[in-house]
Amino acid sequence: AQSVAQPEDQVNVAEGNPLTVKCTYSVSGNPYLFWYVQYPNRGLQFLLKYITGDNLVKGSYGFEAEFNKSQTSFHLKKPSALVSDSALYFCAVRDLDSGGYQKVTFGTGTKLQVIP
Amino acid sequence: NAGVMQNPRHLVRRRGQEARLRCSPMKGHSHVYWYRQLPEEGLKFMVYLQKENIIDESGMPKERFSAEFPKEGPSILRIQQVVRGDSAAYFCASFETGNTEAFFGQGTRLTVV
Repeated sequence: AQSVAQPEDQVNVAEGNPLTVKCTYSVSGNPYLFWYVQYPNRGLQFLLKYITGDNLVKGSYGFEAEFNKSQTSFHLKKPSALVSDSALYFCAVRDLDSGGYQKVTFGTGTKLQVIP
Repeated sequence: NAGVMQNPRHLVRRRGQEARLRCSPMKGHSHVYWYRQLPEEGLKFMVYLQKENIIDESGMPKERFSAEFPKEGPSILRIQQVVRGDSAAYFCASFETGNTEAFFGQGTRLTVV
C-alpha cells in the first residue's frame, strides 16, 4: 500500500525567509510525486511533479521540490516566502510500478502561514 | 480548454434527502477521482472511475454512496438519505491516460441540515 506523511500540521515563516514543507512517502515501486496548493474555499492547484530525472524539480510560483530516494522524501521549498503563499499544501504519491490503475494518495496537508 | 467543472458549487440538503454531485472532466480526460474533504482535514480518497468502469471504490462507504462515469455526460457522485456527517467538500479530479497529473475542480460544498 502507498502512503504519504506530512509531519507538520502548520508551518509559520516570516515573509522573505526561505520555507520548507516536509513530505515523506512510502510505495512498493517507483514513486510519482506531486505537490498541490489549496487556497480557502477553492480546489487544489497543481504546483509540480517528479517522475524521473533531476532530483530538483521546479514548479509554479517559484516553488521547487527535492526528491531524495534514500530518505523517501519530497520536501517543498521556496527561497523567499510571500504573504500570498499562505495556503494549505498537499503532497501526493502514486506507485508507477504497481501495474494497472492506481489511485493518487494525498497527505493530510500542511497549513503554511507567512507572517508579514 | 475549460478546466474540471463541478456543480453545484454549494448544495444544501435536509436529512434523508438525496444529493447528486456532478463533475465534467477536462476535455480528453477519461479518468476521474472523487475525494472528500472535511473542515480542517485532508483529502480522503473515495472512488476512481474510468468511463463506464469503476476502477477502485475502496474509499467509498458501502451504503448510501454510489458513483458513475457514463460514456456520455458527467461523472455523478450520488449520496442517498444524507446525514449530517455527510457535510463536507467533495472534489473531483480528472486526468489523461498515462502518468500525468490530475486537475481538480472547485468542489461542491454539501451542507446537510
